[in-house]
Amino acid sequence: AQSVAQPEDQVNVAEGNPLTVKCTYSVSGNPYLFWYVQYPNRGLQFLLKYITGDNLVKGSYGFEAEFNKSQTSFHLKKPSALVSDSALYFCAVRSNSGGGADGLTFGKGTHLIIQP
Amino acid sequence: SQTIHQWPATLVQPVGSPLSLECTVEGTSNPNLYWYRQAAGRGLQLLFYSVGIGQISSEVPQNLSASRPQDRQFILSSKKLLLSDSGFYLCAWGGSTGVTLKLFFGSGTQLSVL
Repeated sequence: AQSVAQPEDQVNVAEGNPLTVKCTYSVSGNPYLFWYVQYPNRGLQFLLKYITGDNLVKGSYGFEAEFNKSQTSFHLKKPSALVSDSALYFCAVRSNSGGGADGLTFGKGTHLIIQP
Repeated sequence: SQTIHQWPATLVQPVGSPLSLECTVEGTSNPNLYWYRQAAGRGLQLLFYSVGIGQISSEVPQNLSASRPQDRQFILSSKKLLLSDSGFYLCAWGGSTGVTLKLFFGSGTQLSVL
């Protein structure tokens, strides 16, 4: 069975500072990894994904994530945080084995709060 | 381009009443379709997924059911709602290859059972 851990319920960062939201995963086979963002009472919006290739993936709104196979991690990062980045962030995984029709497995989410 | 529609956005229902939430996808054929539930603004729980018309897989035993009467239509139902069915319900579509590896989500339905 696959799983995702987001160890922090909440991350507080001052505006303009770099931010990191942590994610580790467990999956059989090679992982496909995703980050989504959710604003209040809205659906999830896709930020970025890692499928294969370069370990550093760049996505929407200046976010990037680094795939680390040895540490089974896929931390989300941004060099300079904006107040508008405040939201709930989800890490998700699916295995590259099998059809993958059973969708993504999500972490519990991390509230990112950017303070002015 | 592909779009996903989910309605209603908000629903307040009494305990014991029936439920029907609808989700439709446009701009793609034979999508994989999903219903997720999010409790108290936190983690997502996969409820059902479907790889084709009439094909429904249930991830957790519950008071809910799903149906896929058409290729791009996915319905979440209940005959009698429980208080514990309250939550934010999200429909999503995805595929198994290439760019469709990711899921695309609807805007969600906030269900309050009173």
